[in-house]
Amino acid sequence: DAKTTQPNSMESNEEEPVHLPCNHSTISGTDYIHWYRQLPSQGPEYVIHGLTSNVNNRMASLAIAEDRKSSTLILHRATLRDAAVYYCILRDGNFGNEKLTFGTGTRLTIIP
Amino acid sequence: NAGVMQNPRHLVRRRGQEARLRCSPMKGHSHVYWYRQLPEEGLKFMVYLQKENIIDESGMPKERFSAEFPKEGPSILRIQQVVRGDSAAYFCASSPSFGTGGLNTEAFFGQGTRLTVV
Repeated sequence: DAKTTQPNSMESNEEEPVHLPCNHSTISGTDYIHWYRQLPSQGPEYVIHGLTSNVNNRMASLAIAEDRKSSTLILHRATLRDAAVYYCILRDGNFGNEKLTFGTGTRLTIIP
Repeated sequence: NAGVMQNPRHLVRRRGQEARLRCSPMKGHSHVYWYRQLPEEGLKFMVYLQKENIIDESGMPKERFSAEFPKEGPSILRIQQVVRGDSAAYFCASSPSFGTGGLNTEAFFGQGTRLTVV
């Protein structure tokens, strides 16, 4: 399975933007970049995913490097409810290989 | 459209008993994944199923654990003769099928079943 590298933890002030980095230097052409988050005592929650182009949705933006070896999840205005562990995952787009392999993620703390 | 439903939310079993965990995927989803999360640890993949087929069981322990996803009804994760080390949160996820060519979708997770073995 292709691997990702994320900082163990990050802090951000409430109502400020947050940039969560992820390195995936061994990404293959069929790998999609997915981001999930897990709030305390809850199941993981899908945030966003992309292949090559930057993506925006109501929760966040995903900026993908031109060589696809890194990406950044952007929360435009952090709230206390965004405190969670954020996982950057490479998901193979080929049938049979699509399982999500979770690493240790980045624990995001929001400071009021 | 209801989300992924897991039941029970909490399950207590004595050592040696059987545990049955159920997962109803979102409507129209034919792919189910099971994960285990030990206390203060990350999520570990266990098994990936389609209707009536096991696609990938590389994360399943070799003994006591089994999973099924029948044509009708929920997916079941079964743990026989539970031991204290099986105490964990078990999460199920579902996603829709996609054709060849790698059309990719997100997976939706349930709230989990927290198994406690006493």
